Amino acid sequence: EIVMTQSPGTLSVSPGERATLSCRASQSVRSDLAWYQQKPGQAPRLLISGASTRATGVPARFSGSGSGTEFTLTISSLQSEDFAFYYCQQYSNWPPITFGQGTRLEIK
Amino acid sequence: EVQLVESGGGLIQPGGSLRLSCTTSDFTVSSNYLIWVRQAPGKGLEWVSVFYGGGSTYYADSVKGRFTISRDNSNNMLYLQMNNLRAEDTAVYYCVGTVTTAMYFDYWGQGTLVTVSS
Repeated sequence: EIVMTQSPGTLSVSPGERATLSCRASQSVRSDLAWYQQKPGQAPRLLISGASTRATGVPARFSGSGSGTEFTLTISSLQSEDFAFYYCQQYSNWPPITFGQGTRLEIK
Repeated sequence: EVQLVESGGGLIQPGGSLRLSCTTSDFTVSSNYLIWVRQAPGKGLEWVSVFYGGGSTYYADSVKGRFTISRDNSNNMLYLQMNNLRAEDTAVYYCVGTVTTAMYFDYWGQGTLVTVSS
């Protein structure tokens, strides 16, 4: 099983600033990495697939990078609606399909 | 517009059974992949099961032997039969779909809450 580890657990950032979220895989997942955003009481929403490809309708301030075992989700110039939970997920080697434990992005 | 709508959640005693349903619209279950993902209260996302390809099914170890995923192609429905439920199965269960051959998740239902408690 590939274990996905996200850091930090909680990230405090001021609106307008940049946020950098990390995701590490226990073994290479190539570029088979997705990022999701989840707001309280809502279902997750796909942001990024293939490590760096934004899903339809996702603003350009969201960008993903990395390959192999190290990945980053960057949100430039944070907007109020971006404060949420973020999860990474690998789909390179399954089953099982595995998620990271999540990063909470909160307003500083 | 693709829509996935779960139903069938509720309060059930340990050891009991429950069947979740997922009604789809603008989504052809016979040619796409459907997945169940759950989220325990205050916790992260956990993959449960997938109905893949021509009929292959896979399960997380935590539910293997107790849960069964199935689909109804004619009615574009997905199901999750859950038997011998345990307290640790308490979660919001999401029906999830993907129209790609890669297992990332484009479409999510709103979720249905299953509470296992005496």
